[in-house]
Amino acid sequence: EPEVTQTPSHQVTQMGQEVILRCVPISNHLYFYWYRQILGQKVEFLVSFYNNEISEKSEIFDDQFSVERPDGSNFTLKIRSTKLEDSAMYFCASTLTRREAFFGQGTRLTVV
Amino acid sequence: AQKITQTQPGMFVQEKEAVTLDCTYDTSDQSYGLFWYKQPSSGEMIFLIYQGSYDEQNATEGRYSLNFQKARKSANLVISASQLGDSAMYFCAMREGLRTGNKLVFGAGTILRVKS
Repeated sequence: EPEVTQTPSHQVTQMGQEVILRCVPISNHLYFYWYRQILGQKVEFLVSFYNNEISEKSEIFDDQFSVERPDGSNFTLKIRSTKLEDSAMYFCASTLTRREAFFGQGTRLTVV
Repeated sequence: AQKITQTQPGMFVQEKEAVTLDCTYDTSDQSYGLFWYKQPSSGEMIFLIYQGSYDEQNATEGRYSLNFQKARKSANLVISASQLGDSAMYFCAMREGLRTGNKLVFGAGTILRVKS
């Protein structure tokens, strides 16, 4: 069964460093998303992406964040200068129709 | 106001019994979709079931069914014949509007523990 794949599963980075989280959405899907979940809290929307541009972003998604679809399969989230409060589980998701949204297994980001 | 409210922080259920996880939502849109996800301790988000606002029948997927009461703005998840592997966090989420790409808004979740 097709699935959304995220790498790495866990990333530890020093405060101030840049980090890139990678995702391979389901191949025929058209809409891509990043969400995050701070430990013990609800899942929060960061950004949606369609037709090679951002469709919507939340107030969390400030200038430190960027997304890219560098080729036909990958979808990346870059955090330019990580802060302690960026520590969270980051989920990539993709969808083709309104009736679904499939998530990857997540990347646990720890900023030290 | 919260878009999605899950009032039960934690629930226990005996193995093989049914359990209902509550979800109420708030939207002024006529077109919206409601989703349920399971998050086991390993952390992944597993899509369980979807209900569209215009769907005439309540959604069912195997042991999962959605008790959709539009007038009450509730979309409760019913898990029948609970199994130990059902122990997890369960999230209700909503996508508002007609656009396929609209974001999901999540509730705070309910932790379900299945007892043997």
